[in-house]
Amino acid sequence: DAGVTQSPTHLIKTRGQQVTLRCSPKSGHDTVSWYQQALGQGPQFIFQYYEEEERQRGNFPDRFSGHQFPNYSSELNVNALLLGDSALYLCASSLELPGAQYFGPGTRLLVL
Amino acid sequence: AQSVTQLGSHVSVSEGALVLLRCNYSSSVPPYLFWYVQYPNQGLQLLLKYTSAATLVKGINGFEAEFKKSETSFHLTKPSAHMSDAAEYFCAVRSNSGYALNFGKGTSLLVTP
Repeated sequence: DAGVTQSPTHLIKTRGQQVTLRCSPKSGHDTVSWYQQALGQGPQFIFQYYEEEERQRGNFPDRFSGHQFPNYSSELNVNALLLGDSALYLCASSLELPGAQYFGPGTRLLVL
Repeated sequence: AQSVTQLGSHVSVSEGALVLLRCNYSSSVPPYLFWYVQYPNQGLQLLLKYTSAATLVKGINGFEAEFKKSETSFHLTKPSAHMSDAAEYFCAVRSNSGYALNFGKGTSLLVTP
């Protein structure tokens, strides 16, 4: 049973560029959440997708957007990258409440 | 919003000693609580979860946590530390009306020989 997978594992971008990160949920899961983890910090919630709709959003600007596909996989898009966007981006999948969220290995983004 | 506070950003124990990692939550109603572990350069692995079924929750790798409403605590324990337990540990809370996990700042566990 495959767990949560994310691609790519590492990414280097320059300021002002755009990036797309991808996530495939654990088999049987229908909900995907995205988190940003800065170095030395706990993960911060970006948003959650269920039934292809964003149903909750954290305190992140509109530069951060996402999408969920019919097969439940998801993308996170970040526009106009800033140096401060450098972080580990984690995807987590779950079933409907009150299930736990299961995390992927993350994508490490470096913005130069 | 629901939040958790992890007391002690760094904890050091000897191999074979008791591990105690502290987590206190802020909530007026019992929330859903979780402990995750993160090894270097990896994602988060779920250790255990509290969803109101039982106050003492057993997880993987010999860890357990006890939900104490009177103390608003959910401390993580393991009777005997192993070298492989060295990692970053995060406590997280989700309200019963929300979807996001709110994480603490983490506790780095060092296990010495």
